[in-house]
Amino acid sequence: EVQLLESGGGLVQPGGSLRLSCAASGFTFSSYAMNWVRQAPGKGLEWVSVVCADDSNTYYADSVKGRFTISRDNSKNTLYLQMNHLTADDTAVYFCARGRIASCYDACAYWGQGTLVTVSS
Amino acid sequence: DIVMTQSPDSLAVSLGERATINCKSSQSVLYSSNNKNYVAWYQQKPGQPPKVLIYWASIRESGVPDRFSGSGSGTDFTLTISSLQAEDVAVYYCQQYYNVPYSFGQGTKLEIK
Repeated sequence: EVQLLESGGGLVQPGGSLRLSCAASGFTFSSYAMNWVRQAPGKGLEWVSVVCADDSNTYYADSVKGRFTISRDNSKNTLYLQMNHLTADDTAVYFCARGRIASCYDACAYWGQGTLVTVSS
Repeated sequence: DIVMTQSPDSLAVSLGERATINCKSSQSVLYSSNNKNYVAWYQQKPGQPPKVLIYWASIRESGVPDRFSGSGSGTDFTLTISSLQAEDVAVYYCQQYYNVPYSFGQGTKLEIK
C-alpha cells in the first residue's frame, strides 16, 4: 500500500525557514516523480513543485521560485521541501503527492494527509 | 503559464440528477505526439487530501464509480456526475500537467439541492 507521511510543519516567523519531509513507503520511491501541493486555509489547491524520478529535473511555481528547494533522498525514501524567506502568503497545508506512472508529467494519484505551515509573528 | 478556469464556482443539484462541471485551459493541453490531453479531475472532501477521479481527461481511476466521467479535448473539458449521490458533496478541481508550472482550477463546490 502506498503511504506518504508529511512532517516538519509548524509556526514560523516571517522571513524564517522551514524544511518539510515526506516519508514514502509501499512503492519503489526512486522510480516516481514527487510533487508538493499546498492549500491555504479555506482556499483552493496550488501546485508548488515537482522533482522528477531521476532527480535531474526540478520545477517550481512562480510564487516560490528562488525561495523553495525540492529534493529527494532515494536511500531514505524521503522527499523534502526547504522553504526560505517565508511570508504570510505561504501559510497553508502542504501535501506531498505521487504520480501514477514513472513520468514527471502525470496526475497526482497518491496524496499524504498534509502538514500545516503557519507563517506569523 | 497555463491558467485553468472552472465554471461554475458552485453548483447545487438534486439527488439522482446530473451534475456538470466545466474547465477551460488558457492554451491547448493536447500533446499531439500521443494524442493525450494532460488534464486530471480531483475530488476533495473537508479535512481530506484530494482524490484523483479522472486522468488523461477521460480515464477513470481504478475504484472510482462509473457515474463519474470526463470528456473534452484541447482547451475545454467537462466532469459529469450522471446521478448525484449524497457522498459526492465535495469540491472538485481540474488540473493540467501538460506544462510546468502545473496548475489547478479554482475549484467548484458541489452541494445537494
